[in-house]
Amino acid sequence: GAVVSQHPSRVICKSGTSVKIECRSLDFQATTMFWYRQFPKQSLMLMATSNEGSKATYEQGVEKDKFLINHASLTLSTLTVTSAHPEDSSFYICSARRTGPLRVNTEAFFGQGTRLTVV
Amino acid sequence: TQLLEQSPQFLSIQEGENLTVYCNSSSVFSSLQWYRQEPGEGPVLLVTVVTGGEVKKLKRLTFQFGDARKDSSLHITAAQTGDTGLYLCAGGGKEGFQKLVFGTGTRLLVSP
Repeated sequence: GAVVSQHPSRVICKSGTSVKIECRSLDFQATTMFWYRQFPKQSLMLMATSNEGSKATYEQGVEKDKFLINHASLTLSTLTVTSAHPEDSSFYICSARRTGPLRVNTEAFFGQGTRLTVV
Repeated sequence: TQLLEQSPQFLSIQEGENLTVYCNSSSVFSSLQWYRQEPGEGPVLLVTVVTGGEVKKLKRLTFQFGDARKDSSLHITAAQTGDTGLYLCAGGGKEGFQKLVFGTGTRLLVSP
């Protein structure tokens, strides 16, 4: 089946530094990828929609200058947390939807997630 | 804004018991998916339902999509400890570029 790979799985960084998270679709092309944030024991909150070759679409309340998204190819999207602070510590998950036959009933595949800890 | 409310938020049961998780919204969705997530991992797709009234079975799990495509339920028969996890429903359009809206989540703990 389709696989979405996310890297790194865990990262610890110092406050004020930037961290880049990669999301790759391994066996299908994804013109659209999605970035989520998940707080402990809570559901996934959509942060932004990453569009290949164009600007990302951010959800209300998400700072686009803080969470930089680049979707340079059909298989790779990156999320950069700039000038990270302890409140940015969270579990970040990417996903990509694979288009099925006749473009219906698409499935979303998720990366393994990245645990970011800012100290 | 489309919202999906799940109930209950948390469920603790004994092995062998049955349970039902509900996912409700005031919005109509083209498709609805159920996921299970283990701690520290990404969600894993269990099923997708697209037709109002549709019922799908996956071993001991039965999924139903409401006739009006606004709600769904997940029923687990004879729960096992391996069913423990966070269950998430997600609704969205059928197209690959359309985002999924996730439900509030139901945390299930099955004890031996």
